Amino acid sequence: GDSVTQMEGPVTLSEEAFLTINCTYTATGYPSLFWYVQYPGEGLQLLLKATKADDKGSNKGFEATYRKETTSFHLEKGSVQVSDSAVYFCALSARGSTLGRLYFGRGTQLTVWP
Amino acid sequence: DSGVTQTPKHLITATGQRVTLRCSPRSGDLSVYWYQQSLDQGLQFLIQYYNGEERAKGNILERFSAQQFPDLHSELNLSSLELGDSALYFCASSGGTSGGALHNEQFFGPGTRLTVL
Repeated sequence: GDSVTQMEGPVTLSEEAFLTINCTYTATGYPSLFWYVQYPGEGLQLLLKATKADDKGSNKGFEATYRKETTSFHLEKGSVQVSDSAVYFCALSARGSTLGRLYFGRGTQLTVWP
Repeated sequence: DSGVTQTPKHLITATGQRVTLRCSPRSGDLSVYWYQQSLDQGLQFLIQYYNGEERAKGNILERFSAQQFPDLHSELNLSSLELGDSALYFCASSGGTSGGALHNEQFFGPGTRLTVL
């Protein structure tokens, strides 16, 4: 079945460090891929998305590229800030199931120190 | 602000009790999803409604039920509560005409934190 695996946290970085959070997926066909972010005490917010192979999603300095050959969608940011401290979730929506459920990874806690 | 509202924000109750969680989707969204977030299970899909009809079921217990009303708001009913039901319950919506529906971009509410004592 469809599933998402992302690196376990927590991840602790100093401000301005480079961030990578790994995400791989298993799905039939070509799913849409998402990164959601959850700040403390809040709901999930869509950070970025990619809907087909080789697409690059980007937002707020974060990027992720849909790699069909490696079934991956790794999240990267060149220079993290304290305000990026949050939990990050990788998710997929199966192709052909418009309006269907999302499959989430377990989440990665990121803490950025000044 | 995602446009999805959930009430109440916090709920504290005792084992064996019944509670109702409420969700109002974004304006124009026809589909509502319920997810449970707990430390040990992560984010689990419970159930989906589309325009008033049940569309899909996930890991929802028989003690839980949901419905979507003609005005598209949804309620999640949890009964015979157990300590293990303590969790964050999120509602999400999608499927509106404002975009994102084709690729199932879902918009999440702030959640209801349920504590069962």
